[in-house]
Amino acid sequence: AQSVTQLGSHVSVSEGALVLLRCNYSSSVPPYLFWYVQYPNQGLQLLLKYTSAATLVKGINGFEAEFKKSETSFHLTKPSAHMSDAAEYFCAVSTIIQGAQKLVFGQGTRLTINP
Amino acid sequence: EPEVTQTPSHQVTQMGQEVILRCVPISNHLYFYWYRQILGQKVEFLVSFYNNEISEKSEIFDDQFSVERPDGSNFTLKIRSTKLEDSAMYFCASGSAYNEQFFGPGTRLTVL
Repeated sequence: AQSVTQLGSHVSVSEGALVLLRCNYSSSVPPYLFWYVQYPNQGLQLLLKYTSAATLVKGINGFEAEFKKSETSFHLTKPSAHMSDAAEYFCAVSTIIQGAQKLVFGQGTRLTINP
Repeated sequence: EPEVTQTPSHQVTQMGQEVILRCVPISNHLYFYWYRQILGQKVEFLVSFYNNEISEKSEIFDDQFSVERPDGSNFTLKIRSTKLEDSAMYFCASGSAYNEQFFGPGTRLTVL
């Protein structure tokens, strides 16, 4: 079975500082990995995805993530935090069943940006 | 930009009542999903639907749950007899390919 662990349920950084949100996965097959963001009272928006191509994946809003197989990690980073980045972030791993995809999510990390 | 929509945004019901949560997926998508998020917990997979049938369902998706795509545009989740523990945010998602899903804004279900 696949699983995801997000280290840190709450992360707080200053505006302009580096954002690092940690995600480790467990998968018996090569994984597809995703980061989603959820703003208050909204649905889940895809930030970026890894699907076995380049290990460094660039997403929207200046975020990127690096797939490291040896560390079973897919950490999300952004060089300089902006106030609008405050949200809940979810890492997910997927399995493919009969062509459809099942996402297994981590617990989420709430990112707070301090002025 | 096309988006997944869900109605209602908030549904309050009495325990034992039936509820139907509605979703309109993005029009050319072929894969449809329901997830739920109990307050303070992780997002959990409920069911996937492709080619007019369920592809996979989780242990949560028992006989009280059903899904339907009645008219080629809507995708519904029915809970026949709601329990208190069904209170959660329910998310619909759709995708055109197996490696991406677009989520709706969710329906908050409160069972009293």
